[in-house]
Amino acid sequence: DAMVIQNPRYQVTQFGKPVTLSCSQTLNHNVMYWYQQKSSQAPKLLFHYYDKDFNNEADTPDNFQSRRPNTSFCFLDIRSPGLGDAAMYLCATSRGGSNGNTEAFFGQGTRLTVV
Amino acid sequence: GDSVTQMEGPVTLSEEAFLTINCTYTATGYPSLFWYVQYPGEGLQLLLKATKADDKGSNKGFEATYRKETTSFHLEKGSVQVSDSAVYFCAAGDSGGKLQFGAGTQVVVTP
Repeated sequence: DAMVIQNPRYQVTQFGKPVTLSCSQTLNHNVMYWYQQKSSQAPKLLFHYYDKDFNNEADTPDNFQSRRPNTSFCFLDIRSPGLGDAAMYLCATSRGGSNGNTEAFFGQGTRLTVV
Repeated sequence: GDSVTQMEGPVTLSEEAFLTINCTYTATGYPSLFWYVQYPGEGLQLLLKATKADDKGSNKGFEATYRKETTSFHLEKGSVQVSDSAVYFCAAGDSGGKLQFGAGTQVVVTP
């Protein structure tokens, strides 16, 4: 009964070769987030979608892009991965709303290795 | 912007010991507060939450109380088990639902 599903769990990509990570949700939540988590650090928000509205964090590199073709799916595209992009990438969802009372539900993450 | 500060780890305890992980926040408004737990190689799981001052969140023997006067949300458990070994993240959620995480505290419980 997984609610936020990330595929694959482990991804190895070559330096400079575009890679796409995927996330799907069965919760029908409005908001989907992508976080980057490097070893022994806190997750860092890259961007999020509120429905179809894309919200980029100011310090997210242009190398990172995202697509949300429908409510259930969201993709993270890394156009030219560098060695510094090796990390765990976490997808999360929340119901959204103005009260801020909405907790985030996380997927199990995709561990990206760049060789 | 909002920020969250939590005590550094690792915290090493014996089984059945008392656990406290301190967390304080700075925010312009009144954020919702969360504790998430992360087991090795896994994503984050919500442990507990509190949405307004004096609320107490609790789950699996863990508790935390939203203290507006001290801007704190300290996590406690009276008797830890080896299975509680993990990294614990304190987080504050703004009105738009974005989470600001603390740096995480690794907890190691030994038999």
